[in-house]
Amino acid sequence: KNEVEQSPQNLTAQEGEFITINCSYSVGISALHWLQQHPGGGIVSLFMLSSGKKKHGRLIATINIQEKHSSLHITASHPRDSAVYICAVRSLGETSGSRLTFGEGTQLTVNP
Amino acid sequence: KAGVTQTPRYLIKTRGQQVTLSCSPISGHRSVSWYQQTPGQGLQFLFEYFSETQRNKGNFPGRFSGRQFSNSRSEMNVSTLELGDSALYLCASSFTGNYGYTFGSGTRLTVV
Repeated sequence: KNEVEQSPQNLTAQEGEFITINCSYSVGISALHWLQQHPGGGIVSLFMLSSGKKKHGRLIATINIQEKHSSLHITASHPRDSAVYICAVRSLGETSGSRLTFGEGTQLTVNP
Repeated sequence: KAGVTQTPRYLIKTRGQQVTLSCSPISGHRSVSWYQQTPGQGLQFLFEYFSETQRNKGNFPGRFSGRQFSNSRSEMNVSTLELGDSALYLCASSFTGNYGYTFGSGTRLTVV
């Protein structure tokens, strides 16, 4: 079993829909990241969370440390949101924040 | 503000050869971390350099190595290439390595 599990693996939505991507992890963590990867490979860091909730534009990320679970929500989805969304965690005890363990990613396609 | 620059973008090498990839971080960033992305294994942490010192290393064989120069530019080297080394290699820079990562567009290496 992977330390970081994402669901769903693939998600197709219609423009305007509310989208939720889930991430569960099995280790103690000090931080969780949500990343966005577009075709061609470039990765953008969306959020870093250690507790609670963060919001940036139409994106909302939440984390429940006790339940070892995080969600990424996209409100009013748009075709330009189509990308792979990746959850990554930094384990407790890691001295470097760069040593991340990644989920397999969720391929999101938003149709017009 | 210039982003993280990785060169080259694409590379084709033959089994047994060696390859050097380059990553120029954002000005002022002292941490550079490297990641490998393959369809089978997903994203995996390779290593991190901070102020010219390797601070952390992932579970990769010794054929994978790196270094960082005084201007924070980093190189990674893979010797005795294998077909399984075909991957997208991404680097990310950060001021300290603990938050605020900016990723490069990656180098796509194909080993034939």
